Amino acid sequence: QLQLQESGPGLVKPSETLSLTCTVSGGSISSSSYYWGWIRQPPGKGLEWIGSIYYSGSTYYNPSLKSRVTISVDTSKNQFSLKLSSVTAADTAVYYCARQPLAARRAFDIWGQGTMVTVSS
Amino acid sequence: SYVLTQPPSVSVAPGQTARITCGGNNIGSKSVHWYQQKPGQAPVLVVYDDSDRPSGIPERFSGSNSGNTATLTISRVEAGDEADYYCQVWDSSSDHPLVFGTGTKVTVL
Repeated sequence: QLQLQESGPGLVKPSETLSLTCTVSGGSISSSSYYWGWIRQPPGKGLEWIGSIYYSGSTYYNPSLKSRVTISVDTSKNQFSLKLSSVTAADTAVYYCARQPLAARRAFDIWGQGTMVTVSS
Repeated sequence: SYVLTQPPSVSVAPGQTARITCGGNNIGSKSVHWYQQKPGQAPVLVVYDDSDRPSGIPERFSGSNSGNTATLTISRVEAGDEADYYCQVWDSSSDHPLVFGTGTKVTVL
């Protein structure tokens, strides 16, 4: 059974770079059938898509975050990662990673449990 | 960017039908997905590609999409259906290809 698990610091200082990793278990990130995405949710607010990546490294990003976001994949470790630069308090959120089947028109069908990241000095 | 508008809240009595709308310009031409999120939990996909259900999702959950409105319908509502619901659109031709709706809190009376 496929599982995703987010990991990374829970506290990041303003102006620094937020870095998170999503580890995929129970399946291969190198499957040609899926994209892999990052989504975030500020406390008490709605969902915001950050960006997605294919095992080949092809990416697409939310235009509103694109200038600060880098998503990469490491197929040898079955992981993909998120870097968000120049963070502010507005980036405080629960960050989720999730799988996107191509056959399901980029719906997110399996999610990690999420990890809370707070931006504060 | 593309905006998806949902009502902030919907209230429904047990056993009745809840309808949650997702409004967007010509949304009927796009693929719409729906998620259920309970407090403190990750979202769960309940409908994808307008009206398909993932395995394990009850038939009580159904979706439709036409014109400027997509709708998630929950029939025979149960207490366990109380949650936030989000629509999501995928449009490969857009410069902002993936958007979530504003979310709807469903309260079971």
